[in-house]
Amino acid sequence: AQSVTQLGSHVSVSEGALVLLRCNYSSSVPPYLFWYVQYPNQGLQLLLKYTSAATLVKGINGFEAEFKKSETSFHLTKPSAHMSDAAEYFCAVIGISSGSARQLTFGSGTQLTVLP
Amino acid sequence: EAQVTQNPRYLITVTGKKLTVTCSQNMNHEYMSWYRQDPGLGLRQIYYSMNVEVTDKGDVPEGYKVSRKEKRNFPLILESPSPNQTSLYFCASSRLATGITYEQYFGPGTRLTVT
Repeated sequence: AQSVTQLGSHVSVSEGALVLLRCNYSSSVPPYLFWYVQYPNQGLQLLLKYTSAATLVKGINGFEAEFKKSETSFHLTKPSAHMSDAAEYFCAVIGISSGSARQLTFGSGTQLTVLP
Repeated sequence: EAQVTQNPRYLITVTGKKLTVTCSQNMNHEYMSWYRQDPGLGLRQIYYSMNVEVTDKGDVPEGYKVSRKEKRNFPLILESPSPNQTSLYFCASSRLATGITYEQYFGPGTRLTVT
């Protein structure tokens, strides 16, 4: 079984401020973790992914996330927010085990607003 | 260009009128999936397919059907749509092989309204 919890359905930051979007997961097996971004009226685009290699993962548009097994977390950060970062962000997990179905489980999403 | 396409992008229909939303991918992916997105609920999986003629239920399959007769196509069928199926629908695909990173590619979405 696996699940994802995103803390905060809405987050507002000022332009130039740190972006921190929180994601906690539960998985009965070592997970693969993803962050997707959805811009208005568009589909989901992969930001970054953790697949059991380096625990600090760098993605597109200056975002990064750190896998912390002890905290079961995979928080998304960006040092300096830009207006174009305003979007909805989804954390997702897939539990990897022999013979498992490829069920990608999504969190409920966090809407990021960037204030001028 | 590698992509997942969906049609139509927008659809308004009435209760009970059968409809099909098409999904096609040009990446030769084995795995395809349908999700619905509702405010506050994130994305929930409806059905998925591991390969041609292999489909299985996701978390919210009631009221939907799928078929996978060709590798590239995975249509979603609503035989008798109801207002609670008003939602934003996404099709996704990915490779299915040991050691591959399970990245899913998403279509642009189909916004369905059932009145």
